[in-house]
Amino acid sequence: EIVLTQSPGTLSLSPGERATLSCRASQSLSSNYLAWYQHKPGQAPRLLIYGASSRATGVPDRFSGSGSGTDFTLTISRLEPEDFAVYYCQQYGSSPRTFGQGTKVEIK
Amino acid sequence: EVQLLESGGGLVQPGGSLRLSCAASGFTFSSSAMTWLRQAPGKGLEWVSAITGSGTNTLYADSVKGRFAISRDNSKNTLFLQMNSLRAEDTAVYYCAKTSGFFDFWGQGTLVTVSS
Repeated sequence: EIVLTQSPGTLSLSPGERATLSCRASQSLSSNYLAWYQHKPGQAPRLLIYGASSRATGVPDRFSGSGSGTDFTLTISRLEPEDFAVYYCQQYGSSPRTFGQGTKVEIK
Repeated sequence: EVQLLESGGGLVQPGGSLRLSCAASGFTFSSSAMTWLRQAPGKGLEWVSAITGSGTNTLYADSVKGRFAISRDNSKNTLFLQMNSLRAEDTAVYYCAKTSGFFDFWGQGTLVTVSS
């Protein structure tokens, strides 16, 4: 099973600041099969990024994904009020599909 | 517009059973793999089970193998999760998701509480 480790656990930032979230895999991901999701309390999780760097339909371009192999990054260039949430990375290159433990982006 | 609506959650005693449903619309259901995922209180997201579009192939997490069964009715655009021998650790919000490898659309979830 591939273990995904996200850091930091919590990121305290102000609106307008840049957020950089990390996801490290215990082994190299085939074809960079890594996705990022945004999850707000009481809501359905939302797909942001797939294939490590492709934005899902309707996702603002302030969200970007990068990385390959075992190290991946989600960057939010300028935080908007609606971006404060928990973010999860997930690998879909092997079974079982696994998630990181999440990074909470909170208002400073 | 893709819509997924879960139902069937509730309070059940340990050892009991529950059947979750997920009504889908806005896409060609029979062509899409589907997945059940869950989030226990205060925890992260966990993959539970998946099924191919035709229903021929299924996969299960080790934690639910032999107790849960995923199925689908493509004539009714509905996904199911039969949960038997429920344990306290199965308490979670259960989500269904349209699957393209990654999970491109999710429902709002249904809460399952296993407690005496």
